[in-house]
Amino acid sequence: NAGVTQTPKFQVLKTGQSMTLQCAQDMNHNSMYWYRQDPGMGLRLIYYSASEGTTDKGEVPNGYNVSRLNKREFSLRLESAAPSQTSVYFCASSSPRTSGGSTDTQYFGPGTRLTVL
Amino acid sequence: DAKTTQPNSMESNEEEPVHLPCNHSTISGTDYIHWYRQLPSQGPEYVIHGLTSNVNNRMASLAIAEDRKSSTLILHRATLRDAAVYYCILTGANSKLTFGKGITLSVRP
Repeated sequence: NAGVTQTPKFQVLKTGQSMTLQCAQDMNHNSMYWYRQDPGMGLRLIYYSASEGTTDKGEVPNGYNVSRLNKREFSLRLESAAPSQTSVYFCASSSPRTSGGSTDTQYFGPGTRLTVL
Repeated sequence: DAKTTQPNSMESNEEEPVHLPCNHSTISGTDYIHWYRQLPSQGPEYVIHGLTSNVNNRMASLAIAEDRKSSTLILHRATLRDAAVYYCILTGANSKLTFGKGITLSVRP
């Protein structure tokens, strides 16, 4: 299994340009997530999808849109990139643990390093 | 979700045990304690989680105080590959992970 894959690995954009970050998982997980990580900080949740066909806002959704294309794929779109969106973006997926009651274990991709000039 | 407090950094020697502390004085009865770690230039990875009892797995042990207001992640023999940022995170059932800054562990050869 490849786990969680993300493309591209690196990207440089100019202010105002748009782009889509791609994420795919091959673990048959129901839930998928997009996070951003700024230098020296922890990860912050942008959007998540609890199951195919549903998406919900996280802590920092402004300036982003998402699409849960199917169970495997969850994309993040920047319609008009801004320098404040320079960050490392991580995608993750999860499925319920066999022991009930606790949050699912999340599996993370390698990240996309985005610079907006 | 309740907050956690971790030291900014810790150093250890290779092949020695490491104890990474986490304070969570406002933890509620249904909050789970999770630990993730993030190796340099990689995404986070799950380490261990627990509710009330101490837990062991192949990566580490989690010692939870009797009053649950603190916990300690124990790496039994640190290796250079264990140098990473370790995040202590509290979650209620089915709630989201909220990452703080974590503790940066350095391992000396």
